[in-house]
Amino acid sequence: DIQMTQSPSTLSASVGDRVTITCRASQSISSWLAWYQQKPGKAPNLLIYKASSLESGVPSRFSGSGSGTEFTLTISSLQPDDFATYYCQQYNSYSGTFGQGTKVEIK
Amino acid sequence: EVQLVQSGAEVKKPGESLKISCKGSGYSFTSYWIAWVRQMPGEGLEWMGIIYPEDSDTRYNPSFRGQVTLSADKSISTAYLQWSSLKASDTAMYYCARRDIVGATPGLYYFNYWGQGTLVTVSP
Repeated sequence: DIQMTQSPSTLSASVGDRVTITCRASQSISSWLAWYQQKPGKAPNLLIYKASSLESGVPSRFSGSGSGTEFTLTISSLQPDDFATYYCQQYNSYSGTFGQGTKVEIK
Repeated sequence: EVQLVQSGAEVKKPGESLKISCKGSGYSFTSYWIAWVRQMPGEGLEWMGIIYPEDSDTRYNPSFRGQVTLSADKSISTAYLQWSSLKASDTAMYYCARRDIVGATPGLYYFNYWGQGTLVTVSP
């Protein structure tokens, strides 16, 4: 099984900050990685797929990069609506393992 | 508009059976894989399995194989997740989610549409 590890688990930041979340895979997954945002009591929302492709309707302040085993999600200027939990998900294998999540909190 | 609408919250006792549903609309239901994702209280997301409604081709996360059953009724555009004997550890929110990519070819399981979730509580 491919394991996904996110860091940090929690991140405290202020509005306007540049925020970076890292996701590492236990083996190479090429670019088969997605990022989701989840707010309390809501379903996840797809932000990025294929490591760096922005889903339609997602603000351009979100970007993804990486390939192989190391990936990042960057929010260029944190907005009040961005305080949430973020998950990476690999879909290289015939499954879809998620990372454990990164909670972005208000500093 | 694509929508996945899930059945309502359930409260069950250990040992009881349960079947929850996910009804798709606004797209060709038979042409997209539908997954089920578990989120235990205060925890992260776990991919349970996925089904292709056209032919009910089903793939399970090994951790969930034998614990749950996925099915679909394409005549009513509905996917199901069922348990034959619930445990307290099945208490969780369960989401259905639609694969972004159309077609029967398995793999590339990432999801651009999600249901609102069904909360299942199992308590004596």
